[in-house]
Amino acid sequence: AQSVTQLDSQVPVFEEAPVELRCNYSSSVSVYLFWYVQYPNQGLQLLLKYLSGSTLVKGINGFEAEFNKSQTSFHLRKPSVHISDTAEYFCAVTQNTDKLIFGTGTRLQVFP
Amino acid sequence: KAGVTQTPRYLIKTRGQQVTLSCSPISGHRSVSWYQQTPGQGLQFLFEYFSETQRNKGNFPGRFSGRQFSNSRSEMNVSTLELGDSALYLCASSGGTGYEAFFGQGTRLTVV
Repeated sequence: AQSVTQLDSQVPVFEEAPVELRCNYSSSVSVYLFWYVQYPNQGLQLLLKYLSGSTLVKGINGFEAEFNKSQTSFHLRKPSVHISDTAEYFCAVTQNTDKLIFGTGTRLQVFP
Repeated sequence: KAGVTQTPRYLIKTRGQQVTLSCSPISGHRSVSWYQQTPGQGLQFLFEYFSETQRNKGNFPGRFSGRQFSNSRSEMNVSTLELGDSALYLCASSGGTGYEAFFGQGTRLTVV
């Protein structure tokens, strides 16, 4: 069975500082990996995805993630965060597109 | 191109009642999935429909059901509502070339 672990429930950071949100997955087969962001009272918006190919994936709003198969990780990074990045971030895994398995989420709080 | 539309955005129901939520996917998408989001359990997969057939089902009781119409619009029904059914219900559609799921803004259901 697949599972996703987001190691940090909350990450506080000052504006313009770099940030890394950690995600580890477990699966015995090849998977697709995603990061979604959720703003208050909103649905989920896709930040980036890994399907195959280059292990460094660039997404929207300056975010990027690196797929590491040996460590089964897919950590999300941004070199300089803004106040507007304050939100909940979810890592997700799937073998196909029909059923996403989500992590428990990481609350990113950016302080001025 | 219109996104995923969920109606209504907010609902308040009484224990024991039933409720129907609606989801209109992105034009051309044939797969619609439903997720329940609660503070305690996080994001959990309910079920997925493709071309009017349920293809995947999560671990929810039979009170939770759904269907999909020929135009790919989907409805989700919850009967005999319980307080624990209070949640944000998210619908996602997929079927494009990017393999990702696109989410609606959700329906916030409150059971009192």
